[in-house]
Amino acid sequence: DADVTQTPRNRITKTGKRIMLECSQTKGHDRMYWYRQDPGLGLRLIYYSFDVKDINKGEISDGYSVSRQAQAKFSLSLESAIPNQTALYFCATSDLLGTGPNEQFFGPGTRLTVL
Amino acid sequence: DQQVKQNSPSLSVQEGRISILNCDYTNSMFDYFLWYKKYPAEGPTFLISISSIKDKNEDGRFTVFLNKSAKHLSLHIVPSQPGDSAVYFCAASVTGTASKLTFGTGTRLQVTL
Repeated sequence: DADVTQTPRNRITKTGKRIMLECSQTKGHDRMYWYRQDPGLGLRLIYYSFDVKDINKGEISDGYSVSRQAQAKFSLSLESAIPNQTALYFCATSDLLGTGPNEQFFGPGTRLTVL
Repeated sequence: DQQVKQNSPSLSVQEGRISILNCDYTNSMFDYFLWYKKYPAEGPTFLISISSIKDKNEDGRFTVFLNKSAKHLSLHIVPSQPGDSAVYFCAASVTGTASKLTFGTGTRLQVTL
């Protein structure tokens, strides 16, 4: 079984709809992240969380919100989807080892299309 | 402002030859660098990393070189294999910033027979 899972894998929605993307992990990691990937732009950080009580904005948080329901679950919401939020979304996890940056483990991604 | 740049969107290399993927960065605060590999319909997977206190790190067929003065790193794959065909992302981080990674735009490597 995959260590980091994302649901749904694909989603088509309409402008103005609320949508939630879910991420679950069985790695026991404290840190979780949401990224989006756009062609020609690489991966950009939306939000990250150190634990259930710690949520932080990333590089491009406008238009998004998150919820850390448990250590293993981190959800990303688009309150009112717009077409430029069409992208590939990745969840990632990492463990706390000292103070340096650590390897992040990624889920398989959710392809979101906003019409 | 793209702080991490991969100027070659694609690269084609013959099987058995060396693949060299390049990455440049502008933020002199970056002190840890990683390479990720991504196959279609999958998430990126970690490949190799290097700290700024080193100028080379090797793991099997993969070697990463870091030139701090030029703010440049490269990934060498020797010998290249068809299974190496994927998109490669370099990423950079500043120690103490909560493991936040800044990614490059990716280079698509195709290894031909």
